[in-house]
Amino acid sequence: AQSVTQLDSQVPVFEEAPVELRCNYSSSVSVYLFWYVQYPNQGLQLLLKYLSGSTLVKGINGFEAEFNKSQTSFHLRKPSVHISDTAEYFCAVSGGNAGKSTFGDGTTLTVKP
Amino acid sequence: DAGITQSPRHKVTETGTPVTLRCHQTENHRYMYWYRQDPGHGLRLIHYSYGVKDTDKGEVSDGYSVSRSKTEDFLLTLESATSSQTSVYFCATEQASSGNTIYFGEGSWLTVV
Repeated sequence: AQSVTQLDSQVPVFEEAPVELRCNYSSSVSVYLFWYVQYPNQGLQLLLKYLSGSTLVKGINGFEAEFNKSQTSFHLRKPSVHISDTAEYFCAVSGGNAGKSTFGDGTTLTVKP
Repeated sequence: DAGITQSPRHKVTETGTPVTLRCHQTENHRYMYWYRQDPGHGLRLIHYSYGVKDTDKGEVSDGYSVSRSKTEDFLLTLESATSSQTSVYFCATEQASSGNTIYFGEGSWLTVV
């Protein structure tokens, strides 16, 4: 079995400030890890993913995430956020076989001017 | 972008009527999913398919049925719509060759009155 916990349901930050959205997972097998972003009234879009190799993964819109196997975490970071980054962010884990992905409950990032 | 098209995008229907939501993909992905998204509940899996005529239940399947007669099409049917089924419905496909990356459609907003 696998699970995903997004530690913050809401994260308010000011424009140009750094942000970190936290994600912990549990799994009995090796995993693939993902972050998705959902802008208002839209579907989810892939932001970045970790499959193997370098533990620091860079995605679109200046976001990056670091896979930490010992802490079973995959936190998402951005050094300077923009108003346009206001959205809901979902962390997801896949245990290797197709059809076995699990999503977190989402973190709402609100960027204030 | 997996070329996922959902229809209708918006629908208002009356309690007790049947409703069918359609999902069409152009990438020949084997796995397809239907999720619903409600405030405070994140994404919840309704049904999924792992091939033509091969489907299985998700965590909130009561009141829903699905069919997949072709690789590219996945239909979700509400047999007798209820107000509790007012939600946003997302279709998704999975690309197993890319670490099980999931791609989402734009969503179908369903209101049951």
